[in-house]
Amino acid sequence: LAKTTQPISMDSYEGQEVNITCSHNNIATNDYITWYQQFPSQGPRFIIQGYKTKVTNEVASLFIPADRKSSTLSLPRVSLSDTAVYYCLVGRMDSSYKLIFGSGTRLLVRP
Amino acid sequence: DTAVSQTPKYLVTQMGNDKSIKCEQNLGHDTMYWYKQDSKKFLKIMFSYNNKELIINETVPNRFSPKSPDKAHLNLHINSLELGDSAVYFCASSQGGPTFYEQYFGPGTRLTVT
Repeated sequence: LAKTTQPISMDSYEGQEVNITCSHNNIATNDYITWYQQFPSQGPRFIIQGYKTKVTNEVASLFIPADRKSSTLSLPRVSLSDTAVYYCLVGRMDSSYKLIFGSGTRLLVRP
Repeated sequence: DTAVSQTPKYLVTQMGNDKSIKCEQNLGHDTMYWYKQDSKKFLKIMFSYNNKELIINETVPNRFSPKSPDKAHLNLHINSLELGDSAVYFCASSQGGPTFYEQYFGPGTRLTVT
């Protein structure tokens, strides 16, 4: 399973765009990249998933370069309510791999 | 219309006791999970069931025993509780076998062992 490395914490201000980068140098051909968000005292919530290039949904965008050794979660115009821990996960979609959440990136959005 | 629910939300008990945590999902998913999140916020999978069959069984003490009476329920029983078992336990579910994709998590059960 590809190990992921993310910044431990990030600070931002309301209205700014936040980019959180995740490194996964050992990503395998069949691996997908998935991001989750966790608010205090709640379970994680799925944000976005991608395999290559760019994926966008109503919440975020995910940018994946051609070598797929890293990925960037982009949150447009963050608000105070985006303060949370963001987890980057890499793994296969089938049932044969282990599911591991890393330590995540703690994002603090200030007024 | 709660998707994944857990009971109880808080559980305080003494060392050596046996306790259970219950989980139910009404999403029609066929895969359910138990995770443990420790004080450092690391979230680690413990078990996963697919259609009531144990698929993932990580290295956890055999004092922890999951049981899935049906696809919508996954309970966690813990025998002889220890101080180190104090953590938040999350239940989750997804469709189509163990996957990172769109797992739905419950609110968590905070277990405190004294």
